[in-house]
Amino acid sequence: GQNIDQPTEMTATEGAIVQINCTYQTSGFNGLFWYQQHAGEAPTFLSYNVLDGLEEKGRFSSFLSRSKGYSYLLLKELQMKDSASYLCAVRDSNYQLIWGAGTKLIIKP
Amino acid sequence: IAGITQAPTSQILAAGRRMTLRCTQDMRHNAMYWYRQDLGLGLRLIHYSNTAGTTGKGEVPDGYSVSRANTDDFPLTLASAVPSQTSVYFCASSESGGGTGELFFGEGSRLTVL
Repeated sequence: GQNIDQPTEMTATEGAIVQINCTYQTSGFNGLFWYQQHAGEAPTFLSYNVLDGLEEKGRFSSFLSRSKGYSYLLLKELQMKDSASYLCAVRDSNYQLIWGAGTKLIIKP
Repeated sequence: IAGITQAPTSQILAAGRRMTLRCTQDMRHNAMYWYRQDLGLGLRLIHYSNTAGTTGKGEVPDGYSVSRANTDDFPLTLASAVPSQTSVYFCASSESGGGTGELFFGEGSRLTVL
Protein backbone atom coordinates (compact mmCIF):
# COMPACT_ATOMS: atom_id res chain seq x y z
CA GLY A 1 0.00 0.00 0.00
CA GLN A 2 0.93 3.64 -0.25
CA ASN A 3 2.00 5.41 2.89
CA ILE A 4 3.23 8.82 3.99
CA ASP A 5 4.62 9.17 7.52
CA GLN A 6 5.09 12.42 9.42
CA PRO A 7 5.35 13.15 13.14
CA THR A 8 1.95 14.07 14.57
CA GLU A 9 3.12 17.07 16.56
CA MET A 10 6.29 19.07 17.19
CA THR A 11 7.10 21.97 19.49
CA ALA A 12 9.77 24.62 18.88
CA THR A 13 10.81 27.99 20.24
CA GLU A 14 10.38 31.33 18.51
CA GLY A 15 13.58 32.27 16.67
CA ALA A 16 14.85 28.69 16.51
CA ILE A 17 15.11 26.17 13.66
CA VAL A 18 12.88 23.11 13.24
CA GLN A 19 13.04 20.19 10.82
CA ILE A 20 9.86 18.28 9.93
CA ASN A 21 10.50 14.87 8.41
CA CYS A 22 8.42 12.95 5.91
CA THR A 23 9.01 9.39 4.73
CA TYR A 24 7.04 7.82 1.94
CA GLN A 25 6.31 4.53 0.23
CA THR A 26 4.35 5.02 -2.95
CA SER A 27 3.80 3.31 -6.28
CA GLY A 28 6.05 5.52 -8.36
CA PHE A 29 7.20 9.05 -7.71
CA ASN A 30 6.46 12.23 -9.62
CA GLY A 31 7.26 14.90 -7.08
CA LEU A 32 6.83 15.79 -3.42
CA PHE A 33 4.92 18.77 -2.06
CA TRP A 34 4.79 20.59 1.25
CA TYR A 35 1.73 22.61 2.21
CA GLN A 36 1.04 24.79 5.23
CA GLN A 37 -2.38 24.77 6.87
CA HIS A 38 -3.35 27.15 9.67
CA ALA A 39 -6.13 25.94 11.96
CA GLY A 40 -9.54 26.33 10.32
CA GLU A 41 -8.05 27.45 7.02
CA ALA A 42 -7.21 25.97 3.64
CA PRO A 43 -3.83 24.42 2.85
CA THR A 44 -1.43 26.69 0.96
CA PHE A 45 1.51 25.61 -1.20
CA LEU A 46 5.02 25.89 0.26
CA SER A 47 7.39 23.86 -1.91
CA TYR A 48 7.85 21.24 -4.60
CA ASN A 49 10.77 18.80 -5.01
CA VAL A 50 11.16 16.36 -7.88
CA LEU A 51 14.96 16.00 -7.94
CA ASP A 52 17.26 15.11 -5.05
CA GLY A 53 18.64 17.98 -3.06
CA LEU A 54 17.71 21.11 -1.23
CA GLU A 55 15.30 23.80 -2.44
CA GLU A 56 15.50 27.06 -0.54
CA LYS A 57 12.78 29.68 -0.41
CA GLY A 58 13.36 32.39 2.15
CA ARG A 59 13.08 31.01 5.69
CA PHE A 60 11.78 27.70 4.39
CA SER A 61 13.82 24.94 2.72
CA SER A 62 12.77 21.50 1.53
CA PHE A 63 15.04 18.51 0.96
CA LEU A 64 14.44 15.31 -1.00
CA SER A 65 16.20 11.95 -1.21
CA ARG A 66 14.36 9.71 -3.64
CA SER A 67 16.56 6.67 -2.91
CA LYS A 68 15.64 6.89 0.78
CA GLY A 69 12.00 7.87 0.27
CA TYR A 70 12.63 10.83 2.53
CA SER A 71 12.04 14.54 2.66
CA TYR A 72 12.24 17.25 5.26
CA LEU A 73 10.98 20.78 5.60
CA LEU A 74 13.33 23.13 7.42
CA LEU A 75 11.96 26.29 8.98
CA LYS A 76 14.45 28.91 10.17
CA GLU A 77 14.03 31.96 12.41
CA LEU A 78 10.69 30.67 13.61
CA GLN A 79 7.90 33.16 14.11
CA MET A 80 4.66 32.73 16.04
CA LYS A 81 2.75 32.84 12.75
CA ASP A 82 4.53 29.61 11.71
CA SER A 83 2.30 27.73 14.16
CA ALA A 84 0.33 25.55 11.76
CA SER A 85 0.07 22.05 10.37
CA TYR A 86 2.53 21.07 7.65
CA LEU A 87 1.32 18.55 5.10
CA CYS A 88 3.60 16.32 3.03
CA ALA A 89 2.18 14.92 -0.21
CA VAL A 90 3.66 12.68 -2.91
CA ARG A 91 2.48 12.47 -6.51
CA ASP A 92 2.47 8.80 -7.53
CA SER A 93 2.89 7.11 -10.90
CA ASN A 94 -0.74 7.92 -11.78
CA TYR A 95 -0.14 11.60 -10.96
CA GLN A 96 -2.45 11.37 -7.95
CA LEU A 97 -1.45 13.05 -4.70
CA ILE A 98 -1.03 10.87 -1.63
CA TRP A 99 -1.19 12.95 1.56
CA GLY A 100 0.36 12.51 4.96
CA ALA A 101 -1.78 13.25 8.03
CA GLY A 102 0.21 16.41 8.71
CA THR A 103 2.52 17.64 11.46
CA LYS A 104 1.11 20.16 13.90
CA LEU A 105 3.87 22.64 14.77
CA ILE A 106 3.52 24.58 18.01
CA ILE A 107 5.74 27.63 18.45
CA LYS A 108 6.40 28.83 21.99
CA PRO A 109 7.71 32.30 22.90
CA ILE B 1 -9.26 37.90 -7.22
CA ALA B 2 -11.49 35.32 -5.55
CA GLY B 3 -9.62 32.13 -6.51
CA ILE B 4 -11.85 29.30 -5.36
CA THR B 5 -15.17 29.88 -3.67
CA GLN B 6 -16.98 27.17 -1.74
CA ALA B 7 -20.52 27.23 -0.36
CA PRO B 8 -21.84 26.70 2.18
CA THR B 9 -18.98 27.27 4.66
CA SER B 10 -20.80 25.22 7.26
CA GLN B 11 -23.90 23.04 7.29
CA ILE B 12 -25.70 20.70 9.67
CA LEU B 13 -27.67 18.05 7.84
CA ALA B 14 -30.03 15.27 8.84
CA ALA B 15 -29.08 11.77 7.76
CA GLY B 16 -30.78 10.72 4.54
CA ARG B 17 -30.98 14.25 3.13
CA ARG B 18 -29.46 15.24 -0.18
CA MET B 19 -26.80 17.93 -0.14
CA THR B 20 -24.77 19.71 -2.80
CA LEU B 21 -21.54 21.52 -1.97
CA ARG B 22 -20.75 24.19 -4.51
CA CYS B 23 -17.31 25.09 -5.83
CA THR B 24 -16.44 27.82 -8.32
CA GLN B 25 -13.02 28.95 -9.53
CA ASP B 26 -12.08 32.01 -11.55
CA MET B 27 -8.51 31.01 -12.47
CA ARG B 28 -9.50 29.08 -15.62
CA HIS B 29 -7.75 25.99 -14.25
CA ASN B 30 -8.34 22.77 -16.13
CA ALA B 31 -8.20 20.37 -13.18
CA MET B 32 -10.44 20.41 -10.11
CA TYR B 33 -10.65 18.17 -7.08
CA TRP B 34 -12.78 17.40 -4.04
CA TYR B 35 -11.05 16.26 -0.85
CA ARG B 36 -12.27 15.42 2.61
CA GLN B 37 -10.16 16.08 5.68
CA ASP B 38 -10.71 14.15 8.89
CA LEU B 39 -8.79 14.43 12.15
CA GLY B 40 -5.70 12.23 12.15
CA LEU B 41 -5.98 11.38 8.47
CA GLY B 42 -4.45 12.93 5.41
CA LEU B 43 -6.54 14.65 2.79
CA ARG B 44 -8.43 11.99 0.86
CA LEU B 45 -9.47 12.49 -2.74
CA ILE B 46 -13.17 11.94 -3.42
CA HIS B 47 -13.51 12.83 -7.10
CA TYR B 48 -11.52 14.80 -9.62
CA SER B 49 -11.88 16.33 -13.06
CA ASN B 50 -8.91 16.88 -15.37
CA THR B 51 -10.93 19.01 -17.78
CA ALA B 52 -14.49 20.20 -18.36
CA GLY B 53 -16.76 17.34 -19.33
CA THR B 54 -14.70 14.61 -17.65
CA THR B 55 -14.65 13.28 -14.09
CA GLY B 56 -12.88 10.47 -12.26
CA LYS B 57 -13.11 8.62 -8.97
CA GLY B 58 -10.61 9.19 -6.22
CA GLU B 59 -9.77 7.19 -3.13
CA VAL B 60 -13.16 7.50 -1.35
CA PRO B 61 -15.89 8.09 -3.98
CA ASP B 62 -18.74 6.01 -2.51
CA GLY B 63 -21.80 8.08 -1.58
CA TYR B 64 -20.63 11.09 -3.59
CA SER B 65 -21.12 12.29 -7.16
CA VAL B 66 -19.73 15.21 -9.17
CA SER B 67 -20.31 16.94 -12.47
CA ARG B 68 -18.15 19.29 -14.54
CA ALA B 69 -20.39 21.01 -17.05
CA ASN B 70 -17.97 23.92 -17.53
CA THR B 71 -14.45 24.98 -16.54
CA ASP B 72 -15.44 27.05 -13.51
CA ASP B 73 -17.90 24.90 -11.54
CA PHE B 74 -17.43 21.55 -9.82
CA PRO B 75 -20.29 20.69 -7.45
CA LEU B 76 -20.15 17.71 -5.09
CA THR B 77 -23.43 15.95 -4.26
CA LEU B 78 -24.20 13.64 -1.36
CA ALA B 79 -27.28 11.75 -2.54
CA SER B 80 -28.30 10.47 0.91
CA ALA B 81 -26.06 11.76 3.68
CA VAL B 82 -24.78 9.44 6.43
CA PRO B 83 -23.01 10.36 9.70
CA SER B 84 -19.67 9.01 8.40
CA GLN B 85 -19.72 11.82 5.84
CA THR B 86 -19.27 14.35 8.64
CA SER B 87 -16.04 16.05 7.63
CA VAL B 88 -14.43 19.19 6.26
CA TYR B 89 -14.60 19.24 2.48
CA PHE B 90 -12.06 21.11 0.39
CA CYS B 91 -12.37 21.93 -3.27
CA ALA B 92 -9.10 22.55 -5.10
CA SER B 93 -7.88 23.35 -8.59
CA SER B 94 -4.65 23.21 -10.57
CA GLU B 95 -3.64 24.35 -14.02
CA SER B 96 -3.46 20.75 -15.19
CA GLY B 97 -3.70 17.25 -13.75
CA GLY B 98 0.05 16.59 -13.95
CA GLY B 99 3.32 18.48 -13.88
CA THR B 100 4.23 20.57 -10.86
CA GLY B 101 0.50 20.90 -10.32
CA GLU B 102 0.40 23.25 -7.35
CA LEU B 103 -3.08 23.00 -5.83
CA PHE B 104 -5.14 26.03 -4.91
CA PHE B 105 -7.71 25.30 -2.23
CA GLY B 106 -11.04 26.83 -1.30
CA GLU B 107 -11.70 27.73 2.32
CA GLY B 108 -13.56 24.50 3.01
CA SER B 109 -17.10 23.41 3.83
CA ARG B 110 -17.67 21.95 7.27
CA LEU B 111 -20.46 19.38 7.09
CA THR B 112 -22.08 17.68 10.06
CA VAL B 113 -24.50 14.82 9.42
CA LEU B 114 -26.70 13.89 12.36
